[in-house]
Amino acid sequence: AQSVTQLGSHVSVSEGALVLLRCNYSSSVPPYLFWYVQYPNQGLQLLLKYTSAATLVKGINGFEAEFKKSETSFHLTKPSAHMSDAAEYFCAVRPYNFNKFYFGSGTKLNVKP
Amino acid sequence: DAGITQSPRHKVTETGTPVTLRCHQTENHRYMYWYRQDPGHGLRLIHYSYGVKDTDKGEVSDGYSVSRSKTEDFLLTLESATSSQTSVYFCAISEATGEGSPLHFGNGTRLTVT
Repeated sequence: AQSVTQLGSHVSVSEGALVLLRCNYSSSVPPYLFWYVQYPNQGLQLLLKYTSAATLVKGINGFEAEFKKSETSFHLTKPSAHMSDAAEYFCAVRPYNFNKFYFGSGTKLNVKP
Repeated sequence: DAGITQSPRHKVTETGTPVTLRCHQTENHRYMYWYRQDPGHGLRLIHYSYGVKDTDKGEVSDGYSVSRSKTEDFLLTLESATSSQTSVYFCAISEATGEGSPLHFGNGTRLTVT
């Protein structure tokens, strides 16, 4: 089975600072990769996905992620945090030929004024 | 937003009673999933379906069963609820295998087993 590791269950940044949320996966074959965001009492919303085209993927709300095969990583970044970015973020992977999705344990982002 | 409706949104039940959660989609997607979300564990797959009457187990399937008699409906049943099944349950759908189609989620059902 795939495993997904998100380093840091809680990350705190100041408004306007860089956001970096880390995700590493275990797979010998690069899978499809996804980032989701969850606001309180809501379902998960897709931020962006990697499907083997460009290694730098842009998503909604100014977020982007870079796929690095050598590091088996798919870290999420945003140049300048906004208060509205405070939420929980989940990294997910899905093998190419298998329709099961595996999630990391999530990272809660706190944005300080 | 993808047309996914979960019902009920909240439920409190007693230990030992059966509980059925419903997921209804209007997207005609082939794949449907049930996940549970617990603090520190992210989302864990309970069961999923790859077509009408075609289902398979996920990583935390013990104590749960599912049924899919129509494309649009996927039911999750807790056969005899236990306190360890207190959780938030999410239904999700996905269109196809080959194109990296993402999951789309419902808004969740908060289940409390007393």
